[in-house]
Amino acid sequence: DTEVTQTPKHLVMGMTNKKSLKCEQHMGHRAMYWYKQKAKKPPELMFVYSYEKLSINESVPSRFSPECPNSSLLNLHLHALQPEDSALYLCASSQEGVQGQGNTIYFGEGSWLTVV
Amino acid sequence: AQRVTQPEKLLSVFKGAPVELKCNYSYSGSPELFWYVQYSRQRLQLLLRHISRESIKGFTADLNKGETSFHLKKPFAQEEDSAMYYCALRGKGFQKLVFGTGTRLLVSP
Repeated sequence: DTEVTQTPKHLVMGMTNKKSLKCEQHMGHRAMYWYKQKAKKPPELMFVYSYEKLSINESVPSRFSPECPNSSLLNLHLHALQPEDSALYLCASSQEGVQGQGNTIYFGEGSWLTVV
Repeated sequence: AQRVTQPEKLLSVFKGAPVELKCNYSYSGSPELFWYVQYSRQRLQLLLRHISRESIKGFTADLNKGETSFHLKKPFAQEEDSAMYYCALRGKGFQKLVFGTGTRLLVSP
């Protein structure tokens, strides 16, 4: 199983809503990532979890709140988002930990988020 | 700082023609370089890693440290190669993968 599974595939939410994006992998990977991809732009890193601990936060606004309940799951909690937050949110995972090198990062299909 | 530059937004070729997608990078240490491909409505997939030096789907890429380049090449393009291609860099020992702006390859019959 070399898949990263993301749900939901599509989400429309109002600016006052609270919602969550979910990500799951069963490859035994200990690093998990959230990326944001706007239309016709490359993915941009948001967060990295390593061994269930947050290791990188790329100065993401607090209206995005990541959570890693266990080594297989990664959530992104969304609250009070703005229309400009509409994008494709990609989850990814890889084998290495904090000092890892050279391991492939596997991406999910993404969750399309529209904020109205 | 890590930076990846893909100068071409769009590369349009005919089937059977050679293809070269350019990638230049800026990084002070020894980087790891990757090519990712995103076919229409599909997930981002790893195509090549510089450390494995393999050929996938006929594509090859050589890391040129002197020119800080990692260009992607294929001698004979196929229509199914049409996709968005991203060059990406990761510093050794770091988790942050930085992408270039991408090049859309369009192979016409």
